[in-house]
Amino acid sequence: GENVEQHPSTLSVQEGDSAVIKCTYSDSASNYFPWYKQELGKGPQLIIDIRSNVGEKKDQRIAVTLNKTAKHFSLHITETQPEDSAVYFCAARGGSYIPTFGRGTSLIVHP
Amino acid sequence: NAGVTQTPKFRVLKTGQSMTLLCAQDMNHEYMYWYRQDPGMGLRLIHYSVGEGTTAKGEVPDGYNVSRLKKQNFLLGLESAAPSQTSVYFCASNPREGPGYTFGSGTRLTVV
Repeated sequence: GENVEQHPSTLSVQEGDSAVIKCTYSDSASNYFPWYKQELGKGPQLIIDIRSNVGEKKDQRIAVTLNKTAKHFSLHITETQPEDSAVYFCAARGGSYIPTFGRGTSLIVHP
Repeated sequence: NAGVTQTPKFRVLKTGQSMTLLCAQDMNHEYMYWYRQDPGMGLRLIHYSVGEGTTAKGEVPDGYNVSRLKKQNFLLGLESAAPSQTSVYFCASNPREGPGYTFGSGTRLTVV
């Protein structure tokens, strides 16, 4: 089955800095890679996703890159703000339509 | 459009008691899932369903049972609760095709 590794587990940055979270996956059949943001006391919310036929996708301050050859994908947040503080999860999904999640990254943005 | 709704939001059980968590979705999604979330462990899949009347085991199914009698509902049962089942439980759903994996807001369960 699919295995998703996510790093780092904790990331602390100053407001205005950039943050990068990296994930690797094992199943070359995976073709859909969503990222979720989970705020304290809430369920994860989809923030951006990318399909395997695309190398990069951007939405305002967040972007995701995918390297299919190396089987890794990354979340990039620029100009971080305190409200970006949350736990972020990556996931990989293939033909089974059942996603496999990383263990999460706790992002802390210091004002 | 409510999305995925979980009830209850909080519950305290005594060891050995039973309870059922309800998940309801109004998006006509085929697939539904139950996860538990524990500190440092991420989201672990308990059981899932790929359609009405079907269920399958996930990564950590022991101690739980599920049923999907109606397409919009997915029930998670604990027959004899144990302190190890203290966790936050999330339900999720997605359509068979395309993106749209949606989570509920969670149920915080404490077993004492």
